[in-house]
Amino acid sequence: DAGVIQSPRHEVTEMGQEVTLRCKPISGHNSLFWYRQTMMRGLELLIYFNNNVPIDDSGMPEDRFSAKMPNASFSTLKIQPSEPRDSAVYFCASSLAGGGHYEQYFGPGTRLTVT
Amino acid sequence: QQQVKQSPQSLIVQKGGIPIINCAYENTAFDYFPWYQQFPGKGPALLIAIRPDVSEKKEGRFTISFNKSAKQFSLHIMDSQPGDSATYFCAASMWGSQGNLIFGKGTKLSVKP
Repeated sequence: DAGVIQSPRHEVTEMGQEVTLRCKPISGHNSLFWYRQTMMRGLELLIYFNNNVPIDDSGMPEDRFSAKMPNASFSTLKIQPSEPRDSAVYFCASSLAGGGHYEQYFGPGTRLTVT
Repeated sequence: QQQVKQSPQSLIVQKGGIPIINCAYENTAFDYFPWYQQFPGKGPALLIAIRPDVSEKKEGRFTISFNKSAKQFSLHIMDSQPGDSATYFCAASMWGSQGNLIFGKGTKLSVKP
C-alpha cells in the first residue's frame, strides 16, 4: 500500500489567497484526521471524519478553515483567505476504527508558508 | 479532562543513556496509550502502545511503564542511540472514539554520540 498521500508537499502563498490541501487515506480505512503542527502549539487536531461524516470540528481555528470528505478516498482542507499565522505543517492521518483502538497512519505532511 | 500532559519538552542524553519521557492524564475513561515517534520532515509513526490492564510493555529497546492509580505512563529507551533522536508524542484514546487520539505536546530527544 502507498500509505497516506498528501499534496502538495510544500505550498507558498501570499496572504489573502485560497489554499487547498489534499489527502488520500489508506484504502479501506474509515476514519480520517487533519492535524496542524507548529513549534509553539505542537500537534493540534483540526477535524476528523468517520465514514466520510465530520465527527468533531471543534479544533478548526475559525471560519476561514473548511474541510470536506466527498468520498472514502479523498479529503480536502481549505483555507480562505489565508493569513501568515496559518503557516504550519498540516498532516492528514487515517485509521481503520471500529469500537476499539486502531493505529493512526500519518501522511508526510504539507508545509504551508503564507507570506 | 481531555488533556494529556507530557514532560520534558526536550531532552539531551549521551549514547547508551536511558531517556525517560513522562505523561499524565485525568480522564479515567482513557484505555489505550500509544507513543508516536516523529523524525524531522516526516509524519508521526506508532512506536509502541499499552492498555491499562498491564503495568509494563517492552518492544526491543523501548518500554512503556504504566501506573493506573497515578494516571501516569512513561517511555524508557534503553541503550539509546543517535538514530533515536526524534520527537516523541504520548497519546490517549477511549473505546468508541472512532480512532481519535489525544496527543501530548511532544518531547524532542537528542542522543549525542
